[in-house]
Amino acid sequence: QVQLQESGPGLVKPSQTLSLTCTVSGGPISSGFYWSWIRQPAGKGLEWIGRLYITGSTNYNPSLKSRLTISLDTSNNQFSLELTSVTAADTAMYYCARSTGGGGYEYWGPGTLVTVSS
Amino acid sequence: QSVLTQPPSVSGAPGQRVTISCTGSNSNIGAGFDVHWYQQLPGTVPKLLISTSGNGPSGVPDRFSASRSGTSASLAITGLRAEDEADYYCQSYDRSLSGSMFGGGTKLTVL
Repeated sequence: QVQLQESGPGLVKPSQTLSLTCTVSGGPISSGFYWSWIRQPAGKGLEWIGRLYITGSTNYNPSLKSRLTISLDTSNNQFSLELTSVTAADTAMYYCARSTGGGGYEYWGPGTLVTVSS
Repeated sequence: QSVLTQPPSVSGAPGQRVTISCTGSNSNIGAGFDVHWYQQLPGTVPKLLISTSGNGPSGVPDRFSASRSGTSASLAITGLRAEDEADYYCQSYDRSLSGSMFGGGTKLTVL
């Protein structure tokens, strides 16, 4: 059974960089799936952040693209998110998830809450 | 603002049928991309419920069904139960954005 687990700081200061890692277990990250980040501010809807394929190719939400990097670490079966110049608007629950190319997100991590505050 | 538009809320009495719409455009639903529906119970991780292609996880009750027409998609729930009270999200791929997106979500209240 595939499992995903997010990890990273729960508190980030404004203007700094938010860095999160998703560790995948139950199967190799180098299999033919898309690995994604999704976030949800408290009491609000889901926002797709971006995704990564095993080739290293990425697709990003245009509204975040200038601040965003998603990368793959096959040796540790992990993928990561870096979001620079954060503001309070980036405060949210961050989820990592797996999908096929046109498929839905069948596997999700439990989520990690990131608060941007000084 | 979401590219996929859902009603903020719907409601129905136990046993009734409700539908939740998801309106997109010719660059997403209208382009033929699959539409996926998620159920998020309070305080939990979203769960993939069903897709318009018919693909989806096993174990989902057949009270839930998904359909599409033109640039819109719908989730129908029959025989409404108290445990169906949750937030529901649609999701699809958008060709012009080269990425995925979610609808704004619909809160289902079981009266």
